Parts: sequence; C-alpha cells; structure tokens
Amino acid sequence: EVQLVESGGGLIQPGGSLRLSCAASGFSVSDHYMNWVRQGPGKGLEWVSVVYGGGSTNYGDSVKGRFTISRDNSKNTLYLQMNSLRVEDTAVYYCARGGSISSLDHWGQGTLVTVSS
Amino acid sequence: DIVMTQSPLSLPVTPGEPASISCRSSQSLLRSDGYMFLDWYVQKPGQSPQLLIYLGSNRASGVPDRFSGSVSGTDFTLEINRVEAEDVGVYYCMQALQTPNTFGQGTKLEIK
Repeated sequence: EVQLVESGGGLIQPGGSLRLSCAASGFSVSDHYMNWVRQGPGKGLEWVSVVYGGGSTNYGDSVKGRFTISRDNSKNTLYLQMNSLRVEDTAVYYCARGGSISSLDHWGQGTLVTVSS
Repeated sequence: DIVMTQSPLSLPVTPGEPASISCRSSQSLLRSDGYMFLDWYVQKPGQSPQLLIYLGSNRASGVPDRFSGSVSGTDFTLEINRVEAEDVGVYYCMQALQTPNTFGQGTKLEIK
C-alpha cells in the first residue's frame, strides 16, 4: 500500500528556516516524480515544487530561491528545505506522488507550517 | 504560467441530481503525443486532496463510474451523473502540462 507521511511542520518566526520530511512506503521515491503542494488557511491548492526521477527540480515563482526540494533514496524520503520564511508561507504542506504519465496520484495527510512573530 | 479558471465556485446540488463543473485553461493542454494534461481532484472536508480524473477523461483507481471528465479544446468538464451525500467537498482542476502546475480556484459542492 502506498503511504506518504509528512512531518516537520510547526511555528516559526519570519526569516526562519524549517525542513519538512515526507516518508514514503509501498514504492520507491526514486521511481517517481515527487511534489510538494501547499494550501494556505481557507485557500485553494498551490503547487510548490517537484523533483523528477533523474533528480532535476523545479519550483513555483513564490518560493524559488528560498525553498529546496531533495530526496534521500536510501531513506525513501522526500524533503523540503524552507529558508527565509514569510508570513505568506503559512500553509498546510502536502507531499504528493507523481503518476506514471501525469497527475498526483497519492497524497500525504499534510503538515502545518505557521510563520508568525 | 497557465491560468485555470473554474466555474461555478459554489454548487448546491440535490442528492440524486446531476452536477457539472467547468474548467478553462489559458492555453492548450494537449501535448504532441496526444495526451491531455488536465486532472481533477476532490478535497473532502478534513481530508487531503485525492485524484479523481487524469489526462482529461480517465477515472483514477476506485473512483465510481458516476464521475466522468470530458474535453473540448481548452474547456474541461467534470460531471457527476447522480450526486450522493459523500460527494461533498471542493473540486479542483489542475494542469500538468508544464511547471508550475496550476490549479483552478476550486468549486465547493454542497448538498441542498
């Protein structure tokens, strides 16, 4: 069974850093493109970042230069390093597995990041 | 970036009645290999989003056949032929043709 479990969220001051983790089971993260998607309080979904099977990455404009996506194949875990956090980064962060051609076919339960002084 | 526009944003439906949600993309989502990179997701209350329809018209595993997706150029439609109480939630379209992947604003389906 495919499972994704996020962790690492919490309360952080503006300008601070946080690293989110997404532990995967039931498949290998190296065999799929893996994504982070966030949802601000009372808002819709916003795609954040992707790491492809070959290791290349891409980011949304709002996080480019501040966030870094990575994965550890030996731990079968996806990460999101978030630096220079802003109040507007407050959101539930979901990791999501990429399907065989497109789509986000499995999602984790999310982890809440609150950026506030 | 590709802009996705959904309508309506709120959709009250009587159980047993059909429902339809529209999504329009600002540019074609058709790739040269013939795949249409449009997905539909639903986020039920208190839950994570889940995949409903991929590549425009393909139901994801376990999705009831009362859900269907259709495509006409840059216009996409999600149809539920008989709404049930468990279908309550917010429905999103998402283009997966290019990064950044972009979502529609969401359509909140509620039961009358």
